[in-house]
Amino acid sequence: NAGVTQTPKFQVLKTGQSMTLQCAQDMNHEYMSWYRQDPGMGLRLIHYSVGAGITDQGEVPNGYNVSRSTTEDFPLRLLSAAPSQTSVYFCASRLDRVIETQYFGPGTRLLVL
Amino acid sequence: DAKTTQPNSMESNEEEPVHLPCNHSTISGTDYIHWYRQLPSQGPEYVIHGLTSNVNNRMASLAIAEDRKSSTLILHRATLRDAAVYYCIKNLGGNEKLTFGTGTRLTIIP
Repeated sequence: NAGVTQTPKFQVLKTGQSMTLQCAQDMNHEYMSWYRQDPGMGLRLIHYSVGAGITDQGEVPNGYNVSRSTTEDFPLRLLSAAPSQTSVYFCASRLDRVIETQYFGPGTRLLVL
Repeated sequence: DAKTTQPNSMESNEEEPVHLPCNHSTISGTDYIHWYRQLPSQGPEYVIHGLTSNVNNRMASLAIAEDRKSSTLILHRATLRDAAVYYCIKNLGGNEKLTFGTGTRLTIIP
């Protein structure tokens, strides 16, 4: 298994541009989540999904959209990038409600100028 | 919902045991205690979790106080590869929303 994969690894955007951060997992996990991590801080939950077709907001959802059309993929969309969205983004997955362990991807480092 | 409290940083000598404390005084009966660690420039990595009893796995041990208001992550023999930020998280069982604090930065001294 590749586990949780994220692309791209690094991206530079200009203010107002849009982009999609990709996340995929090959473990048939029901739950998937997006977190952001700012320098010197812990991770904050952006959006999460408990299954295909089901998404919900986390702690800091503004400026981000998600969809979950398949079990494997959970893309994160920035509609109009702002410098405040400069951060490292981590995708995570979890098997189901019973199994507590979350698996994280390697992260996408985003710089918005 | 108060988060957990951990020391900002700790140091330990290589090949010695490390005890990382965590206070979670507001824990409820259905909250699990999770530990994750984050190595430099990597995503968080699951270490261990427990509910009431002490837990052991290949990476570490988790000692949970009888009143469950605190816990200790034990690395039995620290190596340089254990240098990381360690996060203690209390989380309602089945809840997908992990709430990370700032964690404890562990430095291993050769």
